[in-house]
Amino acid sequence: AQTVTQSQPEMSVQEAETVTLSCTYDTSESDYYLFWYKQPPSRQMILVIRQEAYKQQNATENRFSVNFQKAAKSFSLKISDSQLGDAAMYFCAPSRLTFGEGTQLTVNP
Amino acid sequence: EAGVAQSPRYKIIEKRQSVAFWCNPISGHATLYWYQQILGQGPKLLIQFQNNGVVDDSQLPKDRFSAERLKGVDSTLKIQPAKLEDSAVYLCASRGGVSGGYEQFFGPGTRLTVL
Repeated sequence: AQTVTQSQPEMSVQEAETVTLSCTYDTSESDYYLFWYKQPPSRQMILVIRQEAYKQQNATENRFSVNFQKAAKSFSLKISDSQLGDAAMYFCAPSRLTFGEGTQLTVNP
Repeated sequence: EAGVAQSPRYKIIEKRQSVAFWCNPISGHATLYWYQQILGQGPKLLIQFQNNGVVDDSQLPKDRFSAERLKGVDSTLKIQPAKLEDSAVYLCASRGGVSGGYEQFFGPGTRLTVL
């Protein structure tokens, strides 16, 4: 079984600043994918970024990047140059079957 | 490309009543998931289908919940009888490839309120 911990229920950031959302997990699998999802108030879940566990290089998608520490089972999301549209609930998912409890991100103008 | 469709979008029922939700995945997507998302929590997987076969239903409360995916396309999730704690958003998602990295696409969800 997998467990996921997002220790920050809420985070806030000023527009154009950088914010990091943390996630730790536990898994017995050796080869897996990890995902960060965004869920705006409209509730449509959207994939933000994915990381392949066997790759040492951290994934990057435009302003979004991850810091993946496999040994520590840590998978944090960094959002650079935050925009008002980034405001949402963010979920960490070390597989498609297990999601964290989420971090509510507020972006202040 | 059309996204994952779900209906109804909202449903209000009395406890002990029955309810059914419908999901139409993206065309060609073999894998379909149903999640339950209670307010303020992350989604919890209820059942996963690969084509019309069940891959994982270990967290489905089988005494009251059932799901089917006839012909490997559309799927329905049923609750009978509903309890107050079933109030949640029910999300359907689909995935096309078999590789672990293929993206899941989510539908808009059905918000269920049990009174």
